Amino acid sequence: DAGVIQSPRHEVTEMGQEVTLRCKPISGHDYLFWYRQTMMRGLELLIYFNNNVPIDDSGMPEDRFSAKMPNASFSTLKIQPSEPRDSAVYFCASRRTANTEAFFGQGTRLTVV
Amino acid sequence: AQRVTQPEKLLSVFKGAPVELKCNYSYSGSPELFWYVQYSRQRLQLLLRHISRESIKGFTADLNKGETSFHLKKPFAQEEDSAMYYCALISGGYNKLIFGAGTRLAVHP
Repeated sequence: DAGVIQSPRHEVTEMGQEVTLRCKPISGHDYLFWYRQTMMRGLELLIYFNNNVPIDDSGMPEDRFSAKMPNASFSTLKIQPSEPRDSAVYFCASRRTANTEAFFGQGTRLTVV
Repeated sequence: AQRVTQPEKLLSVFKGAPVELKCNYSYSGSPELFWYVQYSRQRLQLLLRHISRESIKGFTADLNKGETSFHLKKPFAQEEDSAMYYCALISGGYNKLIFGAGTRLAVHP
């Protein structure tokens, strides 16, 4: 398995544009997490899914952010409209069962200008 | 509410010096605690978990429920230990995985 795959690796967009980040979890993993990493706040949990169902989205900063998991092998995080303060590295992680190691993707570095 | 606190953003030491990265948590139940590490230009990876009681790359961490702490320690730091370290907690019936803000460890020659 290639591990958790995120795309794109880098994204530069203009303020006001829609941004979609993608994640392919490890096959067979039933938990999927989206995190945002910044210098100031470290690694913040945005939302996580169990068996494709969103469990907790309390970390999503505002309505501009939305996430979906249409099937077990794909998830998206969308920001619309994007703002400069959304600039960060966004990580996706997956985990097979409760209380086991979470595996991270390489992240998407988002820059909103 | 569940929370993981890492009070130090940066810890700078010389090679061979002891290292302690602090982590405190707040959680009403029995916590499941981890340390993750992110080396430069690499993805986050698990370093160790408290239930394993293991030593990885010379690092150990002991859960102290009385002090609600899970500090990461290494007696003699190496330059290759320079990285970002995150303390993490699994909480709740739905296994929410939350992280502290992270501590950057810089080991100087």
